[in-house]
Amino acid sequence: NAGVTQTPKFRILKIGQSMTLQCTQDMNHNYMYWYRQDPGMGLKLIYYSVGAGITDKGEVPNGYNVSRSTTEDFPLRLELAAPSQTSVYFCASRPRTGVSRGVRWIQYFGAGTRLSVL
Amino acid sequence: DQQVKQNSPSLSVQEGRISILNCDYTNSMFDYFLWYKKYPAEGPTFLISISSIKDKNEDGRFTVFLNKSAKHLSLHIVPSQPGDSAVYFCAASANTGNQFYFGTGTSLTVIP
Repeated sequence: NAGVTQTPKFRILKIGQSMTLQCTQDMNHNYMYWYRQDPGMGLKLIYYSVGAGITDKGEVPNGYNVSRSTTEDFPLRLELAAPSQTSVYFCASRPRTGVSRGVRWIQYFGAGTRLSVL
Repeated sequence: DQQVKQNSPSLSVQEGRISILNCDYTNSMFDYFLWYKKYPAEGPTFLISISSIKDKNEDGRFTVFLNKSAKHLSLHIVPSQPGDSAVYFCAASANTGNQFYFGTGTSLTVIP
């Protein structure tokens, strides 16, 4: 069971370039999330999706776009890369309901994509 | 504005002793709290959680305490083991579970 898979693991972009960070999950989870983690900071929510065709903004959506055409995939698009977008990006998914009694809303994370914009 | 705060960036503990990691939050709408553990070059993994209707939850060596009046929670690890060395993130969510707010993390080092 692969869980949440993110590609690429590393990428260097020049200012103004665009790219798509890929995220795929094989757990049939309804909810999917994109976070960024800057050095010494916590994870900040960029966008999330509660199901195919439905997306919504998180805390820091500016400069990013997402789509959710299937349950499995939730790509994150950077259109005009800026140095401020240098970060580690994590994708996560969670099932609609809890995994066991009294435990709910557990997110499963990918290994991350380290992006540098120079 | 940081709604979930972990004011200790790092903590060192001797093997076998207790580790106590702290977390504070500001939003009174938060009603579910989670702790995640993160190793280098990996994504966070779920450790333990607690609902606001409880003040304590235990899972083996890990116990989370919630003080709603103080808007404070803590994670106790006892006994601490070298394999517990990692960064620990506190996270919180309100009743929909759509958005999660993470703290800045505490790096725990357990010294053999």
